[in-house]
Amino acid sequence: TQLLEQSPQFLSIQEGENLTVYCNSSSVFSSLQWYRQEPGEGPVLLVTVVTGGEVKKLKRLTFQFGDARKDSSLHITAAQPGDTGLYLCAGSYNQGGKLIFGQGTELSVKP
Amino acid sequence: NAGVTQTPKFRILKIGQSMTLQCAQDMNHNYMYWYRQDPGMGLKLIYYSVGAGITDKGEVPNGYNVSRSTTEDFPLRLELAAPSQTSVYFCASSYSTNTEAFFGQGTRLTVV
Repeated sequence: TQLLEQSPQFLSIQEGENLTVYCNSSSVFSSLQWYRQEPGEGPVLLVTVVTGGEVKKLKRLTFQFGDARKDSSLHITAAQPGDTGLYLCAGSYNQGGKLIFGQGTELSVKP
Repeated sequence: NAGVTQTPKFRILKIGQSMTLQCAQDMNHNYMYWYRQDPGMGLKLIYYSVGAGITDKGEVPNGYNVSRSTTEDFPLRLELAAPSQTSVYFCASSYSTNTEAFFGQGTRLTVV
């Protein structure tokens, strides 16, 4: 069974703090995506990582893909209340068509 | 730009009833997906399709069926609704599994 483990499941922090969300699997990904979802909406893509060791930055968000392509992390610097939402990692393990999601991290940033 | 369109947005079903959730995309994507999302949780893959005429089971296919007769449409059928199928259902499409998946607005289904 292919499984994407995401941690932590819940995170409540103060504005200005830093945080890291992790996404792990025992299988090798062909690619890993991070999405953000707001209440009542579908997920929206933040980034796709494909190459082992790859690091991508999106303003205050830094995404890292593990060297072995089995894990990924999302780091947010100086979190803002506008960062509040559900963060989801999603992975594809081969070219067969499946796109599997992790359980999600519910982030709450308090002013 | 329509993107991915799902209908209906809300539905209440009685136990044992059937219904079809509609999904259409206008981006000429080969890959299409159906997910369900329970409160505060991630998305579970129900069925997916890599092109017209090709469908395959995801993580939680029991109680559901799909068809893909055209590139644009990917309907999800519930034959005998059960309370365990109360959830929010999302349809998505993408050019490939390594590219962005575009999601519909979701269908909130309650089975009573």
